Order: sequence, then C-alpha cells, then structure tokens
Amino acid sequence: AQSVTQPDIHITVSEGASLELRCNYSYGATPYLFWYVQSPGQGLQLLLKYFSGDTLVQGIKGFEAEFKRSQSSFNLRKPSVHWSDAAEYFCAVDLKTSYDKVIFGPGTSLSVIP
Amino acid sequence: SQTIHQWPATLVQPVGSPLSLECTVEGTSNPNLYWYRQAAGRGLQLLFYSIGIDQISSEVPQNLSASRPQDRQFILSSKKLLLSDSGFYLCAWSIREASPLHFGNGTRLTVT
Repeated sequence: AQSVTQPDIHITVSEGASLELRCNYSYGATPYLFWYVQSPGQGLQLLLKYFSGDTLVQGIKGFEAEFKRSQSSFNLRKPSVHWSDAAEYFCAVDLKTSYDKVIFGPGTSLSVIP
Repeated sequence: SQTIHQWPATLVQPVGSPLSLECTVEGTSNPNLYWYRQAAGRGLQLLFYSIGIDQISSEVPQNLSASRPQDRQFILSSKKLLLSDSGFYLCAWSIREASPLHFGNGTRLTVT
C-alpha cells in the first residue's frame, strides 16, 4: 500500500541553525512530491514540489528539498532557520491518478528556540 | 488569481445536530475539489473528492456526505453529528492534471 512516513514527530532547533526534515514514501513508481507548511489553525501552504528533472528543488522561504530515488526519500532542508519557521510540516505524494490523489505524511512539528 | 473561501472558521455543535460546511473557489474553472479532515496531532485524511458537478467520490465510509451543486462550490454535510466528527476540516482544490493542492483556511468543528 502507498504510504508516506515522516520519522520525526517533533524537532526543536535554535534560530540560525540548519534544518533537515525527513520524508520517505512507499510507492511502485516515482510520484509527484510536495512539502507543505501549516501554521496553527490555518490551512496548508505549498513550500515546494518535485515533478521531474533536477532532483534538488528550491521553494519559498529559503527551503529546498532533494529527491533521492534509491532511498525513496524527499527530505526538506533549510540552511538557517528563522523563528517564523516554527510550524507543522507535511510531506505529500501525488499518485498521479486522474484526480490528484494525494497522500500526506503524519507531519513534523518544528519548534524554534530564539 | 485563484482564491478559496471556506466557512465558518469555527463551529461548536451538539451531538445529533446537522452539519453544513461550505467551500467556494474563485478564479478557475472545472477544479478538482477535496475535503480533508485533520485530527489533533495527526496528518490529513482525504474524505471526499470531486472531479465535476455532482461527481463525488468517498475515500472512507463515515457519517458525512459531500455535494457539488455548482462547478466551484463544495459542501460537506452530516444529518447527525457524532463526537468522533470533531476535527479540523480543510477544503482544497487543484487544476486538472498533476498540480499542487491549494487549501482553504479550515473549519474547526467541535462536537459536544
């Protein structure tokens, strides 16, 4: 069955430190891949997406992610975290069906220490 | 530009009462529409999706139903709410072919 795992439920980093959020998926082919961010009580905002081509993709707010086919991973990174980055982060895969069937990971909650 | 509106933002309803949550999309035609539910501390569960007017598919059996009376309007309903229906409900849209989902701001539903 298709699934998305985010091994870290919660991560705490200091402001200015680097960040890496892990994501692994289980799917027979290469899906479309996304990272979304959710502030408390809000909807989800797209950070970045991977469809094909260059496996290192750049997103908004200084985030980037790297697709590694051999590891079925799509980890999110940021070189220097800002306090405003504290939020919930969701990895998601689109299984390329006719209606964009998207499976979300359970999310990683990020806290930032000033 | 495209926008999505979802209301109400918060709702407190007693067990056994009906429910109606509404979502509308502006600035695009023939979107795919989705209802997700997010339980506390958990990921998103797809409840319903729609690829056109009156074309609704359910992903999980439940106490809820969805309707799409107009191209850009998506409604989530229940005849009798259960305590387990409490959660954060999110409406989303995407254009046809692979594209990111665009989410509304959500409705926090508390069933008491």
